[in-house]
Amino acid sequence: GDSVTQTEGLVTLTKGLPVMLNCTYQTTYSPFLFWYVQHLNEAPKLLLKSSTDNKRTEHQGFYATLHKSSSSFHLQKSSVQLSDSALYFCALSDLPYGSSGNKLIFGIGTLLSVKP
Amino acid sequence: DMKVTQMPRYLIKRMGENVLLECGQDMSHETMYWYRQDPGLGLQLIYISYDVDSNSEGDIPKGYRVSRKKREHFSLILDSAKTNQTSVYFCASSFPLGENTLYFGAGTRLSVL
Repeated sequence: GDSVTQTEGLVTLTKGLPVMLNCTYQTTYSPFLFWYVQHLNEAPKLLLKSSTDNKRTEHQGFYATLHKSSSSFHLQKSSVQLSDSALYFCALSDLPYGSSGNKLIFGIGTLLSVKP
Repeated sequence: DMKVTQMPRYLIKRMGENVLLECGQDMSHETMYWYRQDPGLGLQLIYISYDVDSNSEGDIPKGYRVSRKKREHFSLILDSAKTNQTSVYFCASSFPLGENTLYFGAGTRLSVL
């Protein structure tokens, strides 16, 4: 079945360094991938999304490129800030784009902790 | 203002008691969801509702039921709560077609003692 894998449970970095959070997926359909971010005691919020192969999508300094050849959608940022400390979820839409009733399959999340 | 509102935010119940978690949205979204979040397990889908009285089980429906009598309102009910239902519960809503962006509420932290 469809699945999303996030290999790192916790990533700890010093402010100003680059980060990459891994996300790979399995699906039988054309993939639509998402990154959601959840700050402490807050609701998850959409960070960015993509269904276009090999096109970089960006938001709030974060970026990701969907690579269908490697089934990956890694999240990156060139210089992390203290405010980036949060839980990051990768998610996959489980039915073809435009389908009624599709739902998201979430990875288990990666906690990013940024130190001064 | 696009908003998903959950009530209550915090709840403590004893094992065997009934629990009602409520969720409202002001975006006229047809589709609504209930998730629970546990450390190391991420977000697990309990139920999905496609519209009024049109509900489907998610991945972990056992021990839960839902009610949707108005499009803007979706309730999660735990009949005779169990200690393993201690969790943070999130409601979300979305349009049914398109890219399926979810809008989440702030969550309800439920402790079952």
